[in-house]
Amino acid sequence: EAGVTQFPSHSVIEKGQTVTLRCDPISGHDNLYWYRRVMGKEIKFLLHFVKESKQDESGMPNNRFLAERTGGTYSTLKVQPAELEDSGVYFCASSQDRDGLQYFGPGTRLTVT
Amino acid sequence: LAKTTQPISMDSYEGQEVNITCSHNNIATNDYITWYQQFPSQGPRFIIQGYKTKVTNEVASLFIPADRKSSTLSLPRVSLSDTAVYYCLVGAQSYNTDKLIFGTGTRLQVFP
Repeated sequence: EAGVTQFPSHSVIEKGQTVTLRCDPISGHDNLYWYRRVMGKEIKFLLHFVKESKQDESGMPNNRFLAERTGGTYSTLKVQPAELEDSGVYFCASSQDRDGLQYFGPGTRLTVT
Repeated sequence: LAKTTQPISMDSYEGQEVNITCSHNNIATNDYITWYQQFPSQGPRFIIQGYKTKVTNEVASLFIPADRKSSTLSLPRVSLSDTAVYYCLVGAQSYNTDKLIFGTGTRLQVFP
């Protein structure tokens, strides 16, 4: 069974540009989560999808971040416009049940210059 | 969710047993204790979870005293490949609540 995959693995963009990160959860997992770790900080929750619905987006830092999960399969996280402080590693995780074990992807390292 | 405190880093040698202790003084009655492992350039990976006493699986053991205000992850006979960051998480229900809350973690370095 394939695990959680994320694309790209690494992205380098300039301040003010737009970047879209993609996450493909484990097949059949209705729950999808985004987390991130910015430089020197702890891994922080961003938001949680149940199928295509946003269940909890309390961790989204501001309106420059937009997450979607059309069709309840893969999810995208768009940052527009990117700022220097957005640099970090963005992780996606999925779980079958709401209180089930979360499986993490390898992360996308975002560098904003 | 209960805040956790762990040592920032630990060193060990191959073949030794490593014990990482996590403090969670404000743990609630229905909170479980979960440990994740993270290798460089990878996402966190579940290791073990427990509620009280002792839990053992093929990777590690988890010791939880009666007051549940702390827990100890025990890795038997570590190898170089056990070098990683280990996170202790505390939350309600099995496998934590919807959103996992990570602390600083403990960076374990295993030397030959």
